[in-house]
Amino acid sequence: KNEVEQSPQNLTAQEGEFITINCSYSVGISALHWLQQHPGGGIVSLFMLSSGKKKHGRLIATINIQEKHSSLHITASHPRDSAVYICAVRKGGADGLTFGKGTHLIIQP
Amino acid sequence: ETGVTQTPRHLVMGMTNKKSLKCEQHLGHNAMYWYKQSAKKPLELMFVYNFKEQTENNSVPSRFSPECPNSSHLFLHLHTLQPEDSALYLCASNNPGGRGYTFGSGTRLTVV
Repeated sequence: KNEVEQSPQNLTAQEGEFITINCSYSVGISALHWLQQHPGGGIVSLFMLSSGKKKHGRLIATINIQEKHSSLHITASHPRDSAVYICAVRKGGADGLTFGKGTHLIIQP
Repeated sequence: ETGVTQTPRHLVMGMTNKKSLKCEQHLGHNAMYWYKQSAKKPLELMFVYNFKEQTENNSVPSRFSPECPNSSHLFLHLHTLQPEDSALYLCASNNPGGRGYTFGSGTRLTVV
């Protein structure tokens, strides 16, 4: 079993819908990251969280440390949001990241 | 451009070839990373360098040899690779304790 699990693996939605992607982890962490990967491979860092909630434009990320769970929300989704969204954790004492398998999101016009 | 530049973007090599991947950042970051992304698998950490010193080697086979001559440059030297080493190789950088990671666009490697 992976230390970082994401759901769903694939998600197709209509433009304008509210999107939620979930991430659960089974190890102690110092931080959790949400990343976006577009076709072609480039990865953009969206959020780094250690507690609470962060908002950037239409994106909201939350984390519950006690439940070892994080969610990424997209409000008023748009076709340009179509990408793979990856949850990654920095384990306590480690330096690099441990990744989930990603959620492939398609927003249809 | 993210500030982390990887070259080449695409590479096809035979199993007996020797090639190198290059990563460069001028963001003032002190830590640099190599990650591997294979089809249908999560990204995997390969190597970590902090202030030019290797601090993590995630059980990577010796046919992958990293080099970090200074805090701005990172190389991955490749020799006698196998077809299963075909993957996207991503470089990233950050400042430990900083706000997040900056990733390069990756090198798509195909071993034939």
